[in-house]
Amino acid sequence: GDSVTQMEGPVTLSEEAFLTINCTYTATGYPSLFWYVQYPGEGLQLLLKATKADDKGSNKGFEATYRKETTSFHLEKGSVQVSDSAVYFCALSDRGGSEKLVFGKGMKLTVNP
Amino acid sequence: GAVVSQHPSWVICKSGTSVKIECRSLDFQATTMFWYRQFPKQSLMLMATSNEGSKATYEQGVEKDKFLINHASLTLSTLTVTSAHPEDSSFYICSASMGSSGNTIYFGEGSWLTVV
Repeated sequence: GDSVTQMEGPVTLSEEAFLTINCTYTATGYPSLFWYVQYPGEGLQLLLKATKADDKGSNKGFEATYRKETTSFHLEKGSVQVSDSAVYFCALSDRGGSEKLVFGKGMKLTVNP
Repeated sequence: GAVVSQHPSWVICKSGTSVKIECRSLDFQATTMFWYRQFPKQSLMLMATSNEGSKATYEQGVEKDKFLINHASLTLSTLTVTSAHPEDSSFYICSASMGSSGNTIYFGEGSWLTVV
């Protein structure tokens, strides 16, 4: 079945450091890809998404590009802030219109001032 | 933005008892709600999909008689863990959507269940 593999943390960075969180997927067909973020005490929130190959999702300085050839959707940010401390989940849903999400394990990021 | 609220955030129960977790959509009508579970160092795994007014659809390997899901209204779904055992200790999280494909899915804050 479909699956998502992402970097495992926890990861601690200093403010203004560069962030990359790797995510690869296995899926039949052409899934939509997502990054969700969960800040402390809050629900998961959609950070960005891409629905087809070569699409780039971006939000709040974060970017991820849907790479079909490498089945990847790595999340990047050029300069992290303390407020980016959270748990990040990579996920996919199949293109058949299902809203079922398949998640990676999540990665906890802590950014220190 | 839309808000989904779960209650309780933390619950400890004794082995053999039942515990109920509520999931409410506060400012929209949720035609479909999803329940996920996450064990330590594992992925969030979908347990079941519930549509208002109908029986939940459970994923393979999830015991429907143990994890009772009720979606009696467009703003409330409940998950009841019956005869809980320590191995049911986990993080349970719900999500809700307005039902049409492509609609944004909103997540609750999650509920930590510890069975002692």
